[in-house]
Amino acid sequence: GAGVSQSPSNKVTEKGKDVELRCDPISGHTALYWYRQSLGQGLEFLIYFQGNSAPDKSGLPSDRFSAERTGGSVSTLTIQRTQQEDSAVYLCASSSRPRVDTEAFFGQGTRLTVV
Amino acid sequence: GQSLEQPSEVTAVEGAIVQINCTYQTSGFYGLSWYQQHDGGAPTFLSYNALDGLEETGRFSSFLSRSDSYGYLLLQELQMKDSASYFCAVTATESNYQLIWGAGTKLIIKP
Repeated sequence: GAGVSQSPSNKVTEKGKDVELRCDPISGHTALYWYRQSLGQGLEFLIYFQGNSAPDKSGLPSDRFSAERTGGSVSTLTIQRTQQEDSAVYLCASSSRPRVDTEAFFGQGTRLTVV
Repeated sequence: GQSLEQPSEVTAVEGAIVQINCTYQTSGFYGLSWYQQHDGGAPTFLSYNALDGLEETGRFSSFLSRSDSYGYLLLQELQMKDSASYFCAVTATESNYQLIWGAGTKLIIKP
């Protein structure tokens, strides 16, 4: 597609359930980021994939969070045993490399609500 | 460690000029980016500075001083549609060229 696609756009889940969020980056983009944004707040880094390198997972808030990127393209962010504090908008972005001055393109996000 | 500081909120009048500052602390600085985010929307790219000086794109300009670890975004002829949050983000070799983000500045424009 022409842009970064995320699904679902909205997700309401019960506390304790697992959720999977999907990101389809722009074709050919080797860098992929996941961020979390709470209402009125800045972007909280979660995880960064760059090509075939080991991902930078330093932003994952707990071991309930994990992400993978298959074939260097689609990425899935999984949150296990969701808690109410996980409620936020989860944003995915991709950019091309090795040009570090290339802009990052964001998807519209998945709004996760844990009830 | 790495950190960025920008004001949490700035208020300006329609038609005026406003400057949003960003100071950063990082090793292996590579470049400074600015993004705009409207409420409920995704961040969108505005500008990128790797070298000292001013980059102009229409009503928006971005400035960088590497020696001062400082940059700013300048918005001219403000329009109501410019009401949004503005984020600065640093790219650094220390972080494997990953974007490190500021907390954002909410720009409020009054008629």
